[in-house]
Amino acid sequence: DAKTTQPTSMDCAEGRAANLPCNHSTISGNEYVYWYRQIHSQGPQYIIHGLKNNETNEMASLIITEDRKSSTLILPHATLRDTAVYYCIVRVGRRGGSEKLVFGKGTKLTVNP
Amino acid sequence: GAGVSQSPSNKVTEKGKDVELRCDPISGHTALYWYRQSLGQGLEFLIYFQGNSAPDKSGLPSDRFSAERTGGSVSTLTIQRTQQEDSAVYLCASSFRQGSGNTIYFGEGSWLTVV
Repeated sequence: DAKTTQPTSMDCAEGRAANLPCNHSTISGNEYVYWYRQIHSQGPQYIIHGLKNNETNEMASLIITEDRKSSTLILPHATLRDTAVYYCIVRVGRRGGSEKLVFGKGTKLTVNP
Repeated sequence: GAGVSQSPSNKVTEKGKDVELRCDPISGHTALYWYRQSLGQGLEFLIYFQGNSAPDKSGLPSDRFSAERTGGSVSTLTIQRTQQEDSAVYLCASSFRQGSGNTIYFGEGSWLTVV
């Protein structure tokens, strides 16, 4: 079962920052937070991941609260091509065991002109 | 470098036939995953391979589904006696060894339609 809760949908104006929240209140100390997005049932595209510290790359920023129970994905200047379903995933690290990603429903982000 | 490659990209088959779907992971990646996604639905985990360890088959929906990974690289997902409910996109993914900090990368999928 997915260990995250996300809003079903969000809207954002083109050029503005898109802030996508995610709750993961049962996260454990060795579990990473991953974000993927999926456009029109293409293969999910990796965006960013983090454990404790905030992270930034060329696509987005990830802000993780100090207690790690929630996080926010930030797309600093959303474009129409950022319209997609965004998945927040908690991935367990278990040596010798399966480390699959368990996808929830995700947030449908619509970027409007 | 090249990403995860899947073939065929599209397959239409008759009910009752067997199908094979192929996945070439990113070179050097030892972990390989299969997922499927039915139209309008979320991603459903099927099976996971990691090196020489026994695969995690916990997501396979029935004994008609099987997968193998030869030589620790290419993987084949086989669906026997296909049913209409098997219609979906089948996604393969890979990552560099195990460890939850290693990013999993997905291919573009194989679209299967059972008629």
